[in-house]
Amino acid sequence: ETGVTQSPTHLIKTRGQQVTLRCSSQSGHNTVSWYQQALGQGPQFIFQYYREEENGRGNFPPRFSGLQFPNYSSELNVNALELDDSALYLCASSHSLSGGAGTQYFGPGTRLTVL
Amino acid sequence: RKEVEQDPGPFNVPEGATVAFNCTYSNSASQSFFWYRQDCRKEPKLLMSVYSSGNEDGRFTAQLNRASQYISLLIRDSKLSDSATYLCVAPRLSSGSARQLTFGSGTQLTVLP
Repeated sequence: ETGVTQSPTHLIKTRGQQVTLRCSSQSGHNTVSWYQQALGQGPQFIFQYYREEENGRGNFPPRFSGLQFPNYSSELNVNALELDDSALYLCASSHSLSGGAGTQYFGPGTRLTVL
Repeated sequence: RKEVEQDPGPFNVPEGATVAFNCTYSNSASQSFFWYRQDCRKEPKLLMSVYSSGNEDGRFTAQLNRASQYISLLIRDSKLSDSATYLCVAPRLSSGSARQLTFGSGTQLTVLP
């Protein structure tokens, strides 16, 4: 296993609610990236955090926000949930800014269902 | 046009068969590419990296054609355990200095006994 953990594993919310997903990175890793994977699609990059700052962002609206803590763990927050937010949310930790795919380790994901 | 496009599949092949997946990418600045494997309802796991013309690891061979912006993955002597979705990945710089992984939609493989 990668040592990257995510919680919760499953979550059911209703439209308009807010949700917080959590990720603990692998020991020694200082960068966390978040991805959204809709059913039948590949993961889509949401954003990346490095040393507690957002370091890059994909094509996601501002209601998707995040935090990284001094221990490098991270949270993904989604406000005003929409039905299309139903997906598997993956976090990946890596050791440096380069974040090359070979060193990005994925957690098991949180499956969010919005009703 | 999507940045990374893959054969949609699904591919259903008998054990022992050879199967090939194709992937095209649009960002000519991409230097390295990857194939990830994703089992049903699990996280993606790195299968192979492709930095130059190609890479071989046992039964798996990945090839890169920069002129055609084309990547392939060949699996020889398929095993039941190879059944999974195979994701083609091209990293690129996003806003800021983040290096994001850009995934294709994946190709589903089922190896039949």
